[in-house]
Amino acid sequence: AQSVAQPEDQVNVAEGNPLTVKCTYSVSGNPYLFWYVQYPNRGLQFLLKYITGDNLVKGSYGFEAEFNKSQTSFHLKKPSALVSDSALYFCAGRYSGSARQLTFGSGTQLTVLP
Amino acid sequence: GAGVSQSPRYKVAKRGQDVALRCDPISGHVSLFWYQQALGQGPEFLTYFQNEAQLDKSGLPSDRFFAERPEGSVSTLKIQRTQQEDSAVYLCASSNRGQGDYGYTFGSGTRLTVV
Repeated sequence: AQSVAQPEDQVNVAEGNPLTVKCTYSVSGNPYLFWYVQYPNRGLQFLLKYITGDNLVKGSYGFEAEFNKSQTSFHLKKPSALVSDSALYFCAGRYSGSARQLTFGSGTQLTVLP
Repeated sequence: GAGVSQSPRYKVAKRGQDVALRCDPISGHVSLFWYQQALGQGPEFLTYFQNEAQLDKSGLPSDRFFAERPEGSVSTLKIQRTQQEDSAVYLCASSNRGQGDYGYTFGSGTRLTVV
């Protein structure tokens, strides 16, 4: 079965430090991978996606993610965290084939401490 | 419109009441998805439309849930005889298959509370 896992429920990081939010996937084909951010009482906001091509994907607000096929990972990173980055982050995957919906991970709450 | 619009923003329903949630996708977007997000969880897929055709409803949790998109634009998710376990945020997303960018735009959701 296709699935996306976020092994950390909570990540805390000091402002100005680099941050990493982890995501792994299991797939039987080529995955399309996404990161979304959710602020309280808001919908999901798109950050970045990997479809094909360069393994390092750059997205909104200084975020980037690296697709690693051998480790089946797609970790979200940012060189210098801001307090305003504090939010709930979701990794999601869509798999090549007939299914068009996204499968989401369980989410990681990122808290950036001032 | 510029984004995906969902209404109402909040809905409180008494157990057993029927509710209807509306989604207005981005104009011209072919694909429309409904998701259910329970508190503290990731969104779970409910159903998918391509234009007016409901191509996948495998995620609907029971026959009390029904979705339609009769003219291929606005969609309505209906829940009959609501139960407390239906309390969640219901998210709608649309996507334009034709552009091939695989982008999904989400609405702000409808928070349903069944009391």
